[in-house]
Amino acid sequence: GQQLNQSPQSMFIQEGEDVSMNCTSSSIFNTWLWYKQDPGEGPVLLIALYKAGELTSNGRLTAQFGITRKDSFLNISASIPSDVGIYFCAGSHNNNDMRFGAGTRLTVKP
Amino acid sequence: DVKVTQSSRYLVKRTGEKVFLECVQDMDHENMFWYRQDPGLGLRLIYFSYDVKMKEKGDIPEGYSVSREKKERFSLILESASTNQTSMYLCASSFPSNYGYTFGSGTRLTVV
Repeated sequence: GQQLNQSPQSMFIQEGEDVSMNCTSSSIFNTWLWYKQDPGEGPVLLIALYKAGELTSNGRLTAQFGITRKDSFLNISASIPSDVGIYFCAGSHNNNDMRFGAGTRLTVKP
Repeated sequence: DVKVTQSSRYLVKRTGEKVFLECVQDMDHENMFWYRQDPGLGLRLIYFSYDVKMKEKGDIPEGYSVSREKKERFSLILESASTNQTSMYLCASSFPSNYGYTFGSGTRLTVV
């Protein structure tokens, strides 16, 4: 299957700092999504993006669908301890063909 | 509260055993998926189903099979478990037009 390159693999930040992570693909997607996985749980959808160039916010989270349709980024502002977890990007052509990145493991130090 | 429920959080099985992982959703979703999650590899699609008795191979179907006899239940079967199938297994479901998958909490399988 298609590979999504997600970076960074891990981040260690202080509480209050901003976070940025991104995802790139060699092929075009129609939809980009960002999920968060808390320890011991399954991933939960944070943000879905459906149009190239789209910028969407969900509280302290902001994500963008790249103009080329081959990339997306997620920003978290003013991080807090409960932001800890693994963040996954996902790209899809249709609902049955979603591909996930390898994940970014975020650690927030109080 | 809508849910995808996986029958076991932790399983330990012996090499060669036949293993069944069960997943049930209560949201009347047509689509159901099985992924495995490994460090550094993310989530890889094993099989998916978009209707009862329908199944499609994902990226890594070898060594696995699935069963969907009822809309709400999607079972993953390891015909003869091997140590390289030690992993976290995640089930998910969705409506056909909805990209927001709902995931279960996962089953961590160890094959010894």
